Amino acid sequence: AQKITQTQPGMFVQEKEAVTLDCTYDTSDPSYGLFWYKQPSSGEMIFLIYQGSYDQQNATEGRYSLNFQKARKSANLVISASQLGDSAMYFCAMRGITGNQFYFGTGTSLTVIP
Amino acid sequence: GAVVSQHPSWVICKSGTSVKIECRSLDFQATTMFWYRQFPKQSLMLMATSNEGSKATYEQGVEKDKFLINHASLTLSTLTVTSAHPEDSSFYICSAREGGTGLNEKLFFGSGTQLSVL
Repeated sequence: AQKITQTQPGMFVQEKEAVTLDCTYDTSDPSYGLFWYKQPSSGEMIFLIYQGSYDQQNATEGRYSLNFQKARKSANLVISASQLGDSAMYFCAMRGITGNQFYFGTGTSLTVIP
Repeated sequence: GAVVSQHPSWVICKSGTSVKIECRSLDFQATTMFWYRQFPKQSLMLMATSNEGSKATYEQGVEKDKFLINHASLTLSTLTVTSAHPEDSSFYICSAREGGTGLNEKLFFGSGTQLSVL
């Protein structure tokens, strides 16, 4: 079974500072993909970044980077230089090699303070 | 990136009526679409997986007769909430993927539908 855990229900960060959103996972699949999505108050889910379990380097996409520690089964999202528009819910998700579906964590609500 | 259009974005209906929600992939063919339900400030709960031309696969605890899913073409899936009741009020969001088997194939999401049943 796959499981995604996000232990931070809410986070605050000062504008222009960096913030780390935690995500741990559990899976028995030998290969898997990890994703982060952003959900603003409008409701749509916006893809941010992807990390494959066999990728040698941590993924980066602009201000987003993924701190992937395979041995610890963690895939934390780092947002650098936070902007007011970053205020949203953030979901960590995983897709295993054996299944078709994505498994989502419970989400972290991020508030950027001016 | 690929675009998934979901309609309507919000709907208010009377108890006992049926509501249809459409999910379209606009610039790609979606062999698989997923329907999620989300309660306020909670995660996405997978309701069913919809494959083009075949019956949907429902998650445990989801009533298939209550939530009818049709995936008649590679670009359209519909979710019909039959005989809606206030407890069906929720945010429903669809997603789609193009059909490859790569782990890095991400889901593209619709903008969601807020259903309120009076």
